[in-house]
Amino acid sequence: DTAVSQTPKYLVTQMGNDKSIKCEQNLGHDTMYWYKQDSKKFLKIMFSYNNKELIINETVPNRFSPKSPDKAHLNLHINSLELGDSAVYFCASSLSFEGPATQETQYFGPGTRLLVL
Amino acid sequence: AQSVTQPDIHITVSEGASLELRCNYSYGATPYLFWYVQSPGQGLQLLLKYFSGDTLVQGIKGFEAEFKRSQSSFNLRKPSVHWSDAAEYFCAVGARGGNKLVFGAGTILRVKS
Repeated sequence: DTAVSQTPKYLVTQMGNDKSIKCEQNLGHDTMYWYKQDSKKFLKIMFSYNNKELIINETVPNRFSPKSPDKAHLNLHINSLELGDSAVYFCASSLSFEGPATQETQYFGPGTRLLVL
Repeated sequence: AQSVTQPDIHITVSEGASLELRCNYSYGATPYLFWYVQSPGQGLQLLLKYFSGDTLVQGIKGFEAEFKRSQSSFNLRKPSVHWSDAAEYFCAVGARGGNKLVFGAGTILRVKS
């Protein structure tokens, strides 16, 4: 009964490839997020979707494209992978993105460790 | 825009000793504040959060944190550390109604027996 799950857990690939990371939450939340944790463990938000609509889009290369087929899923597609894309990518979800405070608490998945060779 | 500073990159404490991890934030209004813990190779687990009301908040695993507006701080404390507490701890601040969490750089806690 995992709350926020990500697949795969580990991903090793060559430069130039295209890959996807999947995220699913079974919490009934409306809002989902992607964060990138770099080699120095610094966490930074990339995207946020609320009910399948993009609400946060930080300065991320357009090689990264999130896709939300429904509000329980937010997948991350990465085209033409580069060495600098190596990181841990975390998915998170919250009940909503605004409103009463308790609805904004974010719950994180286990992370996907991406290594680009 | 909000920002978070965790001044200590590493902290080592003896098992059974008390712990305080520092967190300072910058935000123009009253923020939402969080502490998350990341064990090696694991995801982020929410320890506790502050939204409003009582400035001393209790979390899981015996942790607590105190919001001090005058010092722009939200330090995490535990009276007696256990070896299983060894992990990396992240403080985060969220803007109300915007839901973009900004994280500190993390503090690595080592526990010696």
